[in-house]
Amino acid sequence: GAVVSQHPSRVICKSGTSVKIECRSLDFQATTMFWYRQFPKKSLMLMATSNEGSKATYEQGVEKDKFLINHASLTLSTLTVTSAHPEDSSFYICSARVQAGELFFGEGSRLTVL
Amino acid sequence: AQSVTQLGSHVSVSEGALVLLRCNYSSSVPPYLFWYVQYPNQGLQLLLKYTTGATLVKGINGFEAEFKKSETSFHLTKPSAHMSDAAEYFCAVSYAAGSYQLTFGKGTKLSVIP
Repeated sequence: GAVVSQHPSRVICKSGTSVKIECRSLDFQATTMFWYRQFPKKSLMLMATSNEGSKATYEQGVEKDKFLINHASLTLSTLTVTSAHPEDSSFYICSARVQAGELFFGEGSRLTVL
Repeated sequence: AQSVTQLGSHVSVSEGALVLLRCNYSSSVPPYLFWYVQYPNQGLQLLLKYTTGATLVKGINGFEAEFKKSETSFHLTKPSAHMSDAAEYFCAVSYAAGSYQLTFGKGTKLSVIP
């Protein structure tokens, strides 16, 4: 099946710094990518939908200036957590949509903000 | 707003026993329903999905689920649990045809006892 890779898988940073997480579709072109946040013992929460070459569409309650999403190519989307704080610590997961509609998920990236 | 409820955050079964993971959704329109599995430190993998047609859906690894409109349920079953089935399972719903903006349940952790 299609492969979606996230990097880094784990990142620890100091409060106030920015962190970038990459999501790559390795063997297909993804016209749409989704970013989710997963809290412990909670479901995945959709943060934003990213279409190649256009601005991301954010879900209600998600700060677009804090969670910057860039989808510069058909194989790469990035999520940048700006001025990270401890409450931003979470598991972030991306998914990419194949042309036919099937969704494939990345392995997730665990962010810890000290 | 759409929602998904998974009953039981943690289910334990003996190896060889029936697996039953419950999922109920709220909807005023026909839903598209999905079950995903997440192994530790991995992304989500699609087990099966219901869009239209036959209400009993067979998926990978011997799992199946039945869409029951009258009960607004989409429970996941497997006749005989295997140790390798131990993982987190997520039920998800989408309401727009061709859209994969999923709403996830909180997940059910399945433990398999030898």
